[in-house]
Amino acid sequence: ETGVTQTPRHLVMGMTNKKSLKCEQHLGHNAMYWYKQSAKKPLELMFVYSLEERVENNSVPSRFSPECPNSSHLFLHLHTLQPEDSALYLCASSQERSGDGELFFGEGSRLTVL
Amino acid sequence: EDQVTQSPEALRLQEGESSSLNCSYTVSGLRGLFWYRQDPGKGPEFLFTLYSAGEEKEKERLKATLTKKESFLHITAPKPEDSATYLCAVQGSADSWGKLQFGAGTQVVVTP
Repeated sequence: ETGVTQTPRHLVMGMTNKKSLKCEQHLGHNAMYWYKQSAKKPLELMFVYSLEERVENNSVPSRFSPECPNSSHLFLHLHTLQPEDSALYLCASSQERSGDGELFFGEGSRLTVL
Repeated sequence: EDQVTQSPEALRLQEGESSSLNCSYTVSGLRGLFWYRQDPGKGPEFLFTLYSAGEEKEKERLKATLTKKESFLHITAPKPEDSATYLCAVQGSADSWGKLQFGAGTQVVVTP
């Protein structure tokens, strides 16, 4: 496996379900991120983890709960979502304070909330 | 607050027809301006980082330039495989690493 891997690629859930998105990075980076991409809207930063500590929570509703057990893995736990939460959820990683500052993205998890 | 505006929203080109995409930005102290390419159903793929006005970077048929208020992505003699959505993002000096403000993107379609 190389780069940033996200599972599942597609997820359909009801408003009362609980599910999780998983992200794994194989790049040796020390920071990981969750971004949300809705149709025709700019990517929105949700959470930032640096060295396994959450350093940013961009006013995200509590129905989204991130977890970063180590520097290679990132989860987004979902519960009692709303239909407007349907979007592409992108995980990214980077090496803080070095490199060009670029983010490396996974292919995303397409979430549909019924 | 950082702001990024990309234009046009969509661009349809004939193969070989060169054009430019615009990214206008406002940011408090530019740390970096980033260009990404995104194919349908995929995550964004990093293209360039520009740090200061006057800087230029090239990759195959793509060339990115930067001024104090905007950046351009020039596509020279495009091919159908250049069809994608191109995203611009900025990071301000007050922002933590990885905290990028993205524009909505320009969708480019290149027809044979």
